[in-house]
Amino acid sequence: GAGVSQSPSNKVTEKGKDVELRCDPISGHTALYWYRQSLGQGLEFLIYFQGNSAPDKSGLPSDRFSAERTGGSVSTLTIQRTQQEDSAVYLCASRLRATETQYFGPGTRLLVL
Amino acid sequence: DQQVKQNSPSLSVQEGRISILNCDYTNSMFDYFLWYKKYPAEGPTFLISISSIKDKNEDGRFTVFLNKSAKHLSLHIVPSQPGDSAVYFCAASSAYTSNTGKLIFGQGTTLQVKP
Repeated sequence: GAGVSQSPSNKVTEKGKDVELRCDPISGHTALYWYRQSLGQGLEFLIYFQGNSAPDKSGLPSDRFSAERTGGSVSTLTIQRTQQEDSAVYLCASRLRATETQYFGPGTRLLVL
Repeated sequence: DQQVKQNSPSLSVQEGRISILNCDYTNSMFDYFLWYKKYPAEGPTFLISISSIKDKNEDGRFTVFLNKSAKHLSLHIVPSQPGDSAVYFCAASSAYTSNTGKLIFGQGTTLQVKP
C-alpha cells in the first residue's frame, strides 16, 4: 500500500516568512510523529499525535512551531517567522496502534535564507 | 544529554564481509530498539527491531544483538553488499517513561560497502 507522503519535498523561504509542511500518513495509522534532522545531526522528536490530539508536544523548539491533525489523517506543521536555524529536513512518521514500528515519509527539506 | 550514541560516524567494509554497527544507550528504561537505514534525499527505512526481553533478533542478512547489562546493541550485516551503503540510525523508545512511542535517535553511522 501507499507509504507516508510529505509535501513539499523542498521549500526555500526567506527569514521571517511562515511555512506549512504537510504529512499524509499511512491509511489506518492512528499515531503520527514529526521529527527534524538538522545538518549532521540525528533525528529530533518534535510532536506526537494520537488521532487528532497531541498529547506530547515536548519537542517543539519554540512557540513559533505548531502542528495540527484533522480527521485522524493529514497533519500540518507550521513554522511562523522562520529563522535560519529552522533549516533542516522535517520528517513525518506514522505507526499502527499497538505496534512499535514507525514508518517515515521522504521528508521536506527546508532552507531559510 | 545524548541518550543514544553511535560513536562511529563512518564504517567502510569490503563486499561480502561482515558489517558491524554499534550503538550505546544510557537510559535503562528503554525497552524497544530499532535500526533504520537512510539513503540520501530519502526518509529513514525500517530495518529491524528488538524488544528488551530478547538478546537477539535475526532477519535475513541482518541480525541485531542486545546486551542490556552493557546498554549496548549492535547490527550485523552478513554478507555486506554495495547496496547496503547508507546511513544507519539506531533508535530507542520506552513504554515506562512515555506511552507515546516517540523514538530517541543516535547520530547515525555512514556505512560504505566497497565492491
